Amino acid sequence: VIWMTQSPSLLSASTGDRVTISCRMSQGISSYLAWYQQKPGKAPELLIYAASTLQSGVPSRFSGSGSGTDFTLTISCLQSEDFATYYCQQYYSFPWTFGQGTKVEIK
Amino acid sequence: EVQLVESGGGVVQPGGSLRLSCAASGFTFDDYAMHWVRQAPGKGLEWVSLISGDGGSTYYADSVKGRFTISRDNSKNSLYLQMNSLRTEDTALYYCAKDRVVAAAGTFDYWGQGTLVTVSS
Repeated sequence: VIWMTQSPSLLSASTGDRVTISCRMSQGISSYLAWYQQKPGKAPELLIYAASTLQSGVPSRFSGSGSGTDFTLTISCLQSEDFATYYCQQYYSFPWTFGQGTKVEIK
Repeated sequence: EVQLVESGGGVVQPGGSLRLSCAASGFTFDDYAMHWVRQAPGKGLEWVSLISGDGGSTYYADSVKGRFTISRDNSKNSLYLQMNSLRTEDTALYYCAKDRVVAAAGTFDYWGQGTLVTVSS
């Protein structure tokens, strides 16, 4: 099983801030990493796959980077609709696993 | 427009069974692998199971292997999850999710709204 450490668990930020979320793997996964956004009471939405490829329709202020064991999700200019919980997910090997989540809240 | 609508959740006693369904529309159902992903109340996401587009290949998380069975009926554009020997730790919102690509890539581009399973005596 590939273990994932996502940090921070909670991030307090203001609209307009640049924020970064980290995801570290227990072993290398090449670029088989995705990021999801989940708002309260809603299903998750795919933001990024293959570590850095933006899903269709996702705003360009979202970006992903990294390969191997260390990955980052960056929101360049936080908007009000971005306050949510973010999850990383590896799909390099079964069982596919998710990070613990990062809640981005209003400062 | 892709739509996934889950049903079949409810309250069941430990050791009991439940069958979840997911009705799909808006895409060529049998072209895509489908998944079940669950989320315990207030917790994170857990991938549960995958079935290939033709139904010939299935995979499970270790936590449900031997107790849950995923299946699909491509003639009805429907996905199922038969859940047996349920445990309290299976309590969760169960999402049906579509794989992003034709060959199961392991990323989920469309999700249903979920159906709640509560295992309690």
